Amino acid sequence: EAGVTQSPTHLIKTRGQQATLRCSPISGHTSVYWYQQALGLGLQFLLWYDEGEERNRGNFPPRFSGRQFPNYSSELNVNALELEDSALYLCASSLGTGTGSSNYIFGPGTRLTVT
Amino acid sequence: GNSVTQMEGPVTLSEEAFLTINCTYTATGYPSLFWYVQYPGEGLQLLLKATKADDKGSNKGFEATYRKETTSFHLEKGSVQVSDSAVYFCALDITQGGSEKLVFGKGTKLTVNP
Repeated sequence: EAGVTQSPTHLIKTRGQQATLRCSPISGHTSVYWYQQALGLGLQFLLWYDEGEERNRGNFPPRFSGRQFPNYSSELNVNALELEDSALYLCASSLGTGTGSSNYIFGPGTRLTVT
Repeated sequence: GNSVTQMEGPVTLSEEAFLTINCTYTATGYPSLFWYVQYPGEGLQLLLKATKADDKGSNKGFEATYRKETTSFHLEKGSVQVSDSAVYFCALDITQGGSEKLVFGKGTKLTVNP
């Protein structure tokens, strides 16, 4: 069974540009979570999508947004990139609400570098 | 608020040494507690978990006990191997109003030398 996949593996952008990151969950999983792993800050919760809806949002500005498609894959968009957006962005999927965080399966991440 | 504080590294040990990585938490209610491991160039993998007080999670020789009285979930391994070199994250599960998310500590980098 394929795991959670993320693309691209690496992304280099300049300040002010937009970045789009993609995540495909494990087959049968309906929830997708996005986390930012910035150097020295650990993992910060960004967004949670379930059944196509945004269910929860972390403490990030509105220029971080996303969506979930009917096939449950998800996109994270970061507009007006700033240097401090440079980080590893991790996606996780799970069976959905009520199944508990121990069912999270994480992808390998997308390394975003803003210059 | 809900937070996790874990021992900051980096931690460098020799093979077969004893490992302890401290983790304490602050939470409302009764969270589940987790340890995740991130090997170089990879995503996070669940290492072990405990869902209630006095539960002991264990996997691959690693252990951690959910201590409600000290709000701790320290990770231990009796004899580390070079292959254990990775970053270890302590986390708790917050479930509020049908919303679930993991709150992570900042991670502890472990290097095991032969």
